[in-house]
Amino acid sequence: NAGVTQTPKFQVLKTGQSMTLQCAQDMNHNSMYWYRQDPGMGLRLIYYSASEGTTDKGEVPNGYNVSRLNKREFSLRLESAAPSQTSVYFCVINEQFFGPGTRLTVL
Amino acid sequence: GENVEQHPSTLSVQEGDSAVIKCTYSDSASNYFPWYKQELGKGPQLIIDIRSNVGEKKDQRIAVTLNKTAKHFSLHITETQPEDSAVYFCAAIKVFDRDELVFGAGTILRVKS
Repeated sequence: NAGVTQTPKFQVLKTGQSMTLQCAQDMNHNSMYWYRQDPGMGLRLIYYSASEGTTDKGEVPNGYNVSRLNKREFSLRLESAAPSQTSVYFCVINEQFFGPGTRLTVL
Repeated sequence: GENVEQHPSTLSVQEGDSAVIKCTYSDSASNYFPWYKQELGKGPQLIIDIRSNVGEKKDQRIAVTLNKTAKHFSLHITETQPEDSAVYFCAAIKVFDRDELVFGAGTILRVKS
């Protein structure tokens, strides 16, 4: 996970609460991705950013928003969390480097 | 869009045997094929990758082969060891084309000692 940081590592939310997951890289790569990983569902793409200033929806974007703040940072926001968003979230840099993940539980 | 299928979903081998995991992709324009290893409680780690202009790549006990005509690529692990036990994912993407990285469903590899 060298060069990729994700915060927080763990989070528990109540239904309806909001939060932002942060991802930052120091490798100067263009592409950044947000995936969720659920048991039996593999890795599903939420949003991605091919370069600074661009974002695109992935397979499961509903309930999420993203911001590519600059080349280093790509954040994922849950405006009104739902139990179905309980998952492990990974930020991926340049198709090669995974962040350590954020384990989110929504009660 | 791209679709990646991965087989088998689980694979058990005896220590020292070889393991092969296969993936097929649908978009003939995909040109980068990485493989990841995920150990329990950790994020996936890139272990080897191959680009579409190469047919085979090796790194010690791990190799990847690519057949562009058939649109499939495979991960080969030789002389398996217990520490090879993990979940392995393949993926495909059209690099430089503002494209998304699509993963296979994963293979649980168990190496029995």
